Amino acid sequence: DSGVTQTPKHLITATGQRVTLRCSPRSGDLSVYWYQQSLDQGLQFLIQYYNGEERAKGNILERFSAQQFPDLHSELNLSSLELGDSALYFCASSVSGVTDTQYFGPGTRLTVL
Amino acid sequence: GEDVEQSLFLSVREGDSSVINCTYTDSSSTYLYWYKQEPGAGLQLLTYIFSNMDMKQDQRLTVLLNKKDKHLSLRIADTQTGDSAIYFCAEVNQAGTALIFGKGTTLSVSS
Repeated sequence: DSGVTQTPKHLITATGQRVTLRCSPRSGDLSVYWYQQSLDQGLQFLIQYYNGEERAKGNILERFSAQQFPDLHSELNLSSLELGDSALYFCASSVSGVTDTQYFGPGTRLTVL
Repeated sequence: GEDVEQSLFLSVREGDSSVINCTYTDSSSTYLYWYKQEPGAGLQLLTYIFSNMDMKQDQRLTVLLNKKDKHLSLRIADTQTGDSAIYFCAEVNQAGTALIFGKGTTLSVSS
């Protein structure tokens, strides 16, 4: 158990819908990272938050957004969903920056029908 | 651009050693990581190596780093069926903002 929790574990929705994925980092970790894992693209970095502020952006679509709350949990919002958004979405946390070890949550499997 | 490459599959017999290879592009990477993903699970950090090291050993795991060739390997001694999983190599990107992962090597261990 990495100490990072993600909910829900599975999510099935239809095209055009909007969903919210939730992540709670390990106790004491200030940074949260979101990754998308798909068969064709592999594991891709989406976005990082540090202590409530956006710190880095990767291959995140404009239809996706995230935030980190004062209690340090984070939410990833995916809107206008398309079939191609079906993937595993992982959250990871670290003490501070990216060179600190990142601990991954179990992931949320999103299926868009 | 930045890229991490791994072979996709490796099949070994129980008790043999497994060697998973990885090449990376960013010579300024400070840390290089190996993660393990079991079916239906998240990524578990296995080990990491700092760029000023050539080798790191941790029980059955040995990591070798060849900075000149930008080559990283993970050796698992006495491979067990429980080691069957996908193994990801990762480096820190040039901007120092994210990890770049390889596509993963699926290790299959037969008894």
